[in-house]
Amino acid sequence: ETGVTQSPTHLIKTRGQQVTLRCSSQSGHNTVSWYQQALGQGPQFIFQYYREEENGRGNFPPRFSGLQFPNYSSELNVNALELDDSALYLCASSLGAGGPYEQYFGPGTRLTVT
Amino acid sequence: GESVGLHLPTLSVQEGDNSIINCAYSNSASDYFIWYKQESGKGPQFIIDIRSNMDKRQGQRVTVLLNKTVKHLSLQIAATQPGDSAVYFCAENPSGGSYIPTFGRGTSLIVHP
Repeated sequence: ETGVTQSPTHLIKTRGQQVTLRCSSQSGHNTVSWYQQALGQGPQFIFQYYREEENGRGNFPPRFSGLQFPNYSSELNVNALELDDSALYLCASSLGAGGPYEQYFGPGTRLTVT
Repeated sequence: GESVGLHLPTLSVQEGDNSIINCAYSNSASDYFIWYKQESGKGPQFIIDIRSNMDKRQGQRVTVLLNKTVKHLSLQIAATQPGDSAVYFCAENPSGGSYIPTFGRGTSLIVHP
């Protein structure tokens, strides 16, 4: 059984650019949640996908969007990058939504916007 | 607004001591609480959880206490080891709907050998 994996591990982008981050959920998990973690802060919920549908969204602007694929892997897309988007982006998978189901986190993607 | 916060940003202890990490929550509708451990370069890792109908739950070397009267949560780690050094987060989940935990800021635990 493989755990949650994320790619890339690190990424440097310029303000105004677009970025796509990827997450492979743990085997058997159909729910993926994305979080943004600024330095020295706790993770902040961006959105959750359950069986390819968005199942909840945090207080993030529409330029943050996502997808979940039939194999339950997921993408996070951020358009028009801003300096404040620099953070660690975490995805977490779980057996279901409407839990509580234990969330298993990936190691994150460190995004730096210059 | 409603938030989850931690009293102490950094806690330093000696190896073998017991550690207590505290967390205050303000959302009275929360019915489920989780403690996570995050080591450097890794994502958060589930440690222990507790539902609002309980006031204590024990795991291996860890105990979580919930005081709903004062909206306080604590994580006790017995016989702290250097491998326990990490940032610890409490998270709360408001009742109903999707499981979307709200994380606090975190406490850095430093264990000195």
